[in-house]
Amino acid sequence: AQSVTQLDSHVSVSEGTPVLLRCNYSSSYSPSLFWYVQHPNKGLQLLLKYTSAATLVKGINGFEAEFKKSETSFHLTKPSAHMSDAAEYFCVVSDGYGGATNKLIFGTGTLLAVQP
Amino acid sequence: DAEITQSPRHKITETGRQVTLACHQTWNHNNMFWYRQDLGHGLRLIHYSYGVQDTNKGEVSDGYSVSRSNTEDLPLTLESAASSQTSVYFCASSDPPGETGDTGELFFGEGSRLTVL
Repeated sequence: AQSVTQLDSHVSVSEGTPVLLRCNYSSSYSPSLFWYVQHPNKGLQLLLKYTSAATLVKGINGFEAEFKKSETSFHLTKPSAHMSDAAEYFCVVSDGYGGATNKLIFGTGTLLAVQP
Repeated sequence: DAEITQSPRHKITETGRQVTLACHQTWNHNNMFWYRQDLGHGLRLIHYSYGVQDTNKGEVSDGYSVSRSNTEDLPLTLESAASSQTSVYFCASSDPPGETGDTGELFFGEGSRLTVL
């Protein structure tokens, strides 16, 4: 079965410093992987997704993630944090059984705090 | 612009009452999903639908039901609300995967916060 593990429940960085949010996945085949962001009292929004094309995926707001099959990782990074990046981030894997339907499996989330 | 809306955004109810949370999307997506979000659990799938008249149970479906009579709406009903169902509920929709199996992006509503006393 597919699963994702977000290694940190909370991450705190200073504004202008790099962001690293860690995610490991488990899948019996080549997965589709996503990062979603949730700002306070809002729904989730797609940041980026990997679907077996380029292993380095660029998303919105300067975020990117690298798919590393050998490490079963899909860590999210950003070179320089901004106050507006403070939110909860979810790593997600598709169950990818193919056909007409795929379901998403969510990690437990990482809450990113950005200090001025 | 297309959107997905949930109502009510906040509701307080009593144990044993029936509650229905509405979800309406104008994306014309076939796939619709209900999740609940609880601290330490991320999002967990309650029910989902891949089209009109199709409904399926997710990992935490006990005590919940859905119906899909048209493309736009997937209401979630709690038949007899319990305190364990106090949570934030999110509705989402997506297109089916593309020809290559590429999973479509999920579009989320802003959530419905339910408190069961």
